[in-house]
Amino acid sequence: AQKITQTQPGMFVQEKEAVTLDCTYDTSDPSYGLFWYKQPSSGEMIFLIYQGSYDQQNATEGRYSLNFQKARKSANLVISASQLGDSAMYFCAMREGISNFGNEKLTFGTGTRLTIIP
Amino acid sequence: DSGVTQTPKHLITATGQRVTLRCSPRSGDLSVYWYQQSLDQGLQFLIQYYNGEERAKGNILERFSAQQFPDLHSELNLSSLELGDSALYFCASSAYLTWGTGVQETQYFGPGTRLLVL
Repeated sequence: AQKITQTQPGMFVQEKEAVTLDCTYDTSDPSYGLFWYKQPSSGEMIFLIYQGSYDQQNATEGRYSLNFQKARKSANLVISASQLGDSAMYFCAMREGISNFGNEKLTFGTGTRLTIIP
Repeated sequence: DSGVTQTPKHLITATGQRVTLRCSPRSGDLSVYWYQQSLDQGLQFLIQYYNGEERAKGNILERFSAQQFPDLHSELNLSSLELGDSALYFCASSAYLTWGTGVQETQYFGPGTRLLVL
């Protein structure tokens, strides 16, 4: 079974609208971390936001927020007031197990290509 | 700028050849992770080093090897190259921020080495 599932291969969104990128995960480990990365056409991987499995509140970083629904095993990324520069591939990733300074390999989803329309 | 450096940025070589990719983690980070991003396999974890020791292995071919040196930089060696080895190779290092009872993990990626095998 896929550990990270991103069901939207591509999305088109009007500039200034909010957008939600879906991510579901599968793990039996009670301790895990969820990450979102942005990959523009230039290729670099830019860290956006992190949510720990024990975090009580949804993570937020500027225009990015993570809608974490633990029971549903979903960790959707919400981008508010989208901008043209948000056009990129977005990847959801998971780290399983207790983070112990040397055990934090990430498993990635297949990504969602987001295109912002002016 | 993530603080993780990778060289070279681009590499073009022929089948059967051997190449070495180099990575320096962020200052103070002891871990180095290597990932491969290809069109057919997506983003995959290859191998991880922590303070000079191999910590985890993922889908790394036997033709590939890595090491981490005392100054913490790492090298990924790819030998007997095949067309299918053409990919973007990333290295990453982990960081932790704590505040109150919160912990934020971040895994910072380098700019990647784009390998083309002809």
